[in-house]
Amino acid sequence: AQSVSQHNHHVILSEAASLELGCNYSYGGTVNLFWYVQYPGQHLQLLLKYFSGDPLVKGIKGFEAEFIKSKFSFNLRKPSVQWSDTAEYFCAVTPPGNQGGKLIFGQGTELSVKP
Amino acid sequence: GAGVSQTPSNKVTEKGKYVELRCDPISGHTALYWYRQSLGQGPEFLIYFQGTGAADDSGLPNDRFFAVRPEGSVSTLKIQRTERGDSAVYLCASSLTGGGDTQYFGPGTRLTVL
Repeated sequence: AQSVSQHNHHVILSEAASLELGCNYSYGGTVNLFWYVQYPGQHLQLLLKYFSGDPLVKGIKGFEAEFIKSKFSFNLRKPSVQWSDTAEYFCAVTPPGNQGGKLIFGQGTELSVKP
Repeated sequence: GAGVSQTPSNKVTEKGKYVELRCDPISGHTALYWYRQSLGQGPEFLIYFQGTGAADDSGLPNDRFFAVRPEGSVSTLKIQRTERGDSAVYLCASSLTGGGDTQYFGPGTRLTVL
């Protein structure tokens, strides 16, 4: 079945460590790609998105993601994490040809940053 | 400005009962989405409205689930003959016109079916 996969269920880092969260999708064709974040007790909110153009996308709070078409991947990165980055991170895809923009989410990665 | 709101925040019901979950989108947003999130999983798409019409209901799991948006703003998700497997957080999101517009999510309604 076509899907979105996030490789890590739970990642634990110390402050100032670098972060990379993996995301792969299995859809062929042109997709729109997203990373959403849910901080404890808060709503899901958009971190960044990619539709076309430069495959390196910069988002809020120092996050960036790189689209690698040949690998069907859209990994999220941050050079130096902070305690406040503790949250759950979701990768999402809008499937090819979908005009309405429905999102297909991965299962999420919980990030815990130790102060 | 006001974000997406959902009521109730929590709903506990018994197996076999009928429930309604309400979503108030951001004013002026024509697109509205419902998702369902089970424990330990990402949100799962249920239905998408463009204005008053359901443009994509491919995610509704069966005919016990139904949603309406009669005036193109507030939406209600209706679940008949609830089952224990329906227990989840039901999320609503809205966006300005749909497509690639940013979806803004509400806080969700946690439904527990006993």
